[in-house]
Amino acid sequence: NAGVTQTPKFQVLKTGQSMTLQCAQDMNHEYMSWYRQDPGMGLRLIHYSVGAGITDQGEVPNGYNVSRSTTEDFPLRLLSAAPSQTSVYFCASSYKAGGETQYFGPGTRLLVL
Amino acid sequence: DQQVKQNSPSLSVQEGRISILNCDYTNSMFDYFLWYKKYPAEGPTFLISISSIKDKNEDGRFTVFLNKSAKHLSLHIVPSQPGDSAVYFCAPYDVYGQNFVFGPGTRLSVLP
Repeated sequence: NAGVTQTPKFQVLKTGQSMTLQCAQDMNHEYMSWYRQDPGMGLRLIHYSVGAGITDQGEVPNGYNVSRSTTEDFPLRLLSAAPSQTSVYFCASSYKAGGETQYFGPGTRLLVL
Repeated sequence: DQQVKQNSPSLSVQEGRISILNCDYTNSMFDYFLWYKKYPAEGPTFLISISSIKDKNEDGRFTVFLNKSAKHLSLHIVPSQPGDSAVYFCAPYDVYGQNFVFGPGTRLSVLP
């Protein structure tokens, strides 16, 4: 099993550009989520999904969009990048929602100029 | 205001000695607590957990203690090894919000 994979590893964007961060898991997990990690802030939840076709907002959803058309994939879209979105983004999955241990991808480092 | 605090941003310990990492929380709806370990350029990996019905859970060199009345938990690593050098996140589960809330992390350095 590859576990949770994320692409790209690193990306530079200009303010106003859009892009999609890819996340895939091959463990048949129902629950998937996106976090951002900023210095001194820990990991903050952006969006999550409890199953295909179901998504919901986390703590910091503004400026991001998600969809979940399959169990395996959970892409995160930046609609119009801003310097405040410079961060490291982690995708995670777990067997189901409700406090199950999450498995994290290696992260995407995003720099918005 | 942060619901989860890890008041030591960094900690240095000599190899073979005990490492103690602390975590304080404010939300009484937290009932399950995880610790994650993170190496540079990698995602966090699960280390150990504890349920609110327990006050101690042990797994090899790692022990987590929970004091619910004080809303405090700690992770003990004995003996510490250089490979334990990483950032450690405390992550309680919010039953009401149905999601984990991560602390800011403590960077542990174990010196040979």
